[in-house]
Amino acid sequence: LAKTTQPISMDSYEGQEVNITCSHNNIATNDYITWYQQFPSQGPRFIIQGYKTKVTNEVASLFIPADRKSSTLSLPRVSLSDTAVYYCLVGDIGAGNNRKLIWGLGTSLAVNP
Amino acid sequence: ETGVTQSPTHLIKTRGQQVTLRCSSQSGHNTVSWYQQALGQGPQFIFQYYREEENGRGNFPPRFSGLQFPNYSSELNVNALELDDSALYLCASSWDTGNTEAFFGQGTRLTVV
Repeated sequence: LAKTTQPISMDSYEGQEVNITCSHNNIATNDYITWYQQFPSQGPRFIIQGYKTKVTNEVASLFIPADRKSSTLSLPRVSLSDTAVYYCLVGDIGAGNNRKLIWGLGTSLAVNP
Repeated sequence: ETGVTQSPTHLIKTRGQQVTLRCSSQSGHNTVSWYQQALGQGPQFIFQYYREEENGRGNFPPRFSGLQFPNYSSELNVNALELDDSALYLCASSWDTGNTEAFFGQGTRLTVV
């Protein structure tokens, strides 16, 4: 299982772009990278998932370099409501594999006025 | 709104008691997973059910058990409660057992005294 490393905490200000990097040196060929967001006392919410290069949706972008040993979640123009914990997960999306995902401590993002 | 609801939202139990937590998944989701999240930690996988059969289990003792019903509802039962069982319990439903987007409920905050 690919272990992930991400910063424990980050600070930002409203309107800034925030980039959270996740390291996964032992990522396997079939592994995908998935990010979740979690607000206090709520369940995590899926943000984005990707395999290589760049993925973008209405909420965020995910940048994955060619060697796939790291990935960066980019949140454009954050607001106070983006204050949350962000989890990076790496794993095979084949059948039976989502139970094998390991959730680390995540990155606690604080957005200040 | 994820379409996944959990009940109750909060619960206080005494050590040694038994508790049943409930989850209502999105219609059509064959898979439900349960997680335990201690304060300041990431979610820890308890077990997963696929089409009413257990489909994998994390490092939790047998006093943690579950059921999944045909109407997309499920239960987590914990016997002989211990103080360390105090946590946020999350259920997540998904279309299948792969690493696809999982929809989490808001969780049940269990306090064991």
